[in-house]
Amino acid sequence: DVKVTQSSRYLVKRTGEKVFLECVQDMDHENMFWYRQDPGLGLRLIYFSYDVKMKEKGDIPEGYSVSREKKERFSLILESASTSQTSMYLCASSINRLYEQYFGPGTRLTVT
Amino acid sequence: QKEVEQNSGPLSVPEGAIASLNCTYSDRGSQSFFWYRQYSGKSPELIMSIYSNGDKEDGRFTAQLNKASQYVSLLIRDSQPSDSATYLCAGTRGGGSYIPTFGRGTSLIVHP
Repeated sequence: DVKVTQSSRYLVKRTGEKVFLECVQDMDHENMFWYRQDPGLGLRLIYFSYDVKMKEKGDIPEGYSVSREKKERFSLILESASTSQTSMYLCASSINRLYEQYFGPGTRLTVT
Repeated sequence: QKEVEQNSGPLSVPEGAIASLNCTYSDRGSQSFFWYRQYSGKSPELIMSIYSNGDKEDGRFTAQLNKASQYVSLLIRDSQPSDSATYLCAGTRGGGSYIPTFGRGTSLIVHP
C-alpha cells in the first residue's frame, strides 16, 4: 500500500512565523502535490513537483514556497504565516499525473 | 467557472437505494477522471478512476464517462449509511499539463 505521511496533524502558529510542512511518500512516486482545503472552496492546488528539485506553481501559490531535495520528500513553506493561511493542508503523490493520487492524513494549520 | 463542477448537495438517499453523483468538466482536453471519497475530518481516498468513454464497475460502484457531453458520474448501488461522505470528482487538465483539478464535492447522506 502507498503510504503518504505528513509531519503534523495539528499545528498552531503565530502571524509572521515561518512554517514548514513536510510530506513523505514511500512508493517512489514521481509527482507530489500540496493542496489546501477550505469549506465551500474545495481542494486547491498550491504547488506540485514532477521530479527532484523541480516544482511548478498551482492555482494559489502566493505566500507559499516548496522544496523537493529528495524524491520521497516534499516540503511546503509559509514564509510569513498569515491568518488567511489557516486551513487544512493536504499532501498527495502519484506515479504519473494522469493517474490517481494518494493523500496524506492532512495538517490542520491554525495561524493566530 | 470552475473547471470541474459538482452539485454540493446534500444528496439524501435511503439505505439500499442507488445514489447517483454527477460532475461536469469544461476542459475538452481532460483525459483522466477520478472519484474520491472523503469522510469528515479525513483525507480523500480513491474510489474509481476512469479514462475512456463508457462504464467501469467495481463492486457496488460504477463510474460513467461521456467525453462528448463532458460529464462523469458515479453510481453507488445498495447504498449504506457508511457511504455517507463527501464525494470529490477530479480530472486532469489538457494541453499537456495534466495538472489535477477537483470539484468542490457532493455531500451524500444515506439514511437508515
